[in-house]
Amino acid sequence: DTEVTQTPKHLVMGMTNKKSLKCEQHMGHRAMYWYKQKAKKPPELMFVYSYEKLSINESVPSRFSPECPNSSLLNLHLHALQPEDSALYLCASSQDRSRTQNEKLFFGSGTQLSVL
Amino acid sequence: QQQVKQSPQSLIVQKGGISIINCAYENTAFDYFPWYQQFPGKGPALLIAIRPDVSEKKEGRFTISFNKSAKQFSLHIMDSQPGDSATYFCAALSSGTYKYIFGTGTRLKVLA
Repeated sequence: DTEVTQTPKHLVMGMTNKKSLKCEQHMGHRAMYWYKQKAKKPPELMFVYSYEKLSINESVPSRFSPECPNSSLLNLHLHALQPEDSALYLCASSQDRSRTQNEKLFFGSGTQLSVL
Repeated sequence: QQQVKQSPQSLIVQKGGISIINCAYENTAFDYFPWYQQFPGKGPALLIAIRPDVSEKKEGRFTISFNKSAKQFSLHIMDSQPGDSATYFCAALSSGTYKYIFGTGTRLKVLA
C-alpha cells in the first residue's frame, strides 16, 4: 500500500466555520507534511511532523492548526479562514529524512478548499 | 540560493516527440533531485529521482540527465504520449532536512 488518503476531496466553508482535513497513511512513514498549493503554482510547505512531533511550522497563520494523533494520521483544523486561503491542501509522507536515506515523498490527492 | 529555476513554463510537443524540461539550482548542499508529475485535481506523483553521484538515470520513457558542475538537471520524456500531458515539477532536497524546494512547474501538452 503506497497510498496517502485524504478526506474530504472537496470542502466549501464560510469564514466563520470550523472544519478539519484528514490524512492517513499505512506505509509506516514517520514524517508527515501539509502543503498548500494554489492554481498553477508549486506546493508550499506548511507543517512537518516527525515521529508525531511538530518539526517545522513555516510561519503559518494560527487559523490553521495541525494535529498528529498517531503515526498514521494527520489532521489540519481550520477556523476563521479567509477567501485567499482557498487552495488545494496536500498531505504527504516520507519514511523520515533524519533516520534513513529514503527521501521519497508520497502525496495524497488533496482537498480542494473553497472559502466563501 | 534556495531556489530551483525551472524552464520552460509551458511546452507543446507532438505525439512521439521528445519533451525536455530543465532545472537549475545554486545550493550545492542539495543531494536529491526528484521529478513529480501532477494531473489536474490530483496530488503530485513521484516520477523519477537522481542523486549527484550519477549523471543519468533512465526509467522507461523517462530519463534524468544531471550535470553537477553546471548545477543543472533535466527531464527527458521519450516518445511523448497524450497521456503525458500534465504539469511537471522538479525539486531538490538537502540531507537532514524536510524542505523540498520545488521548481515553478512546466505545463506539458502532447498533441495527438
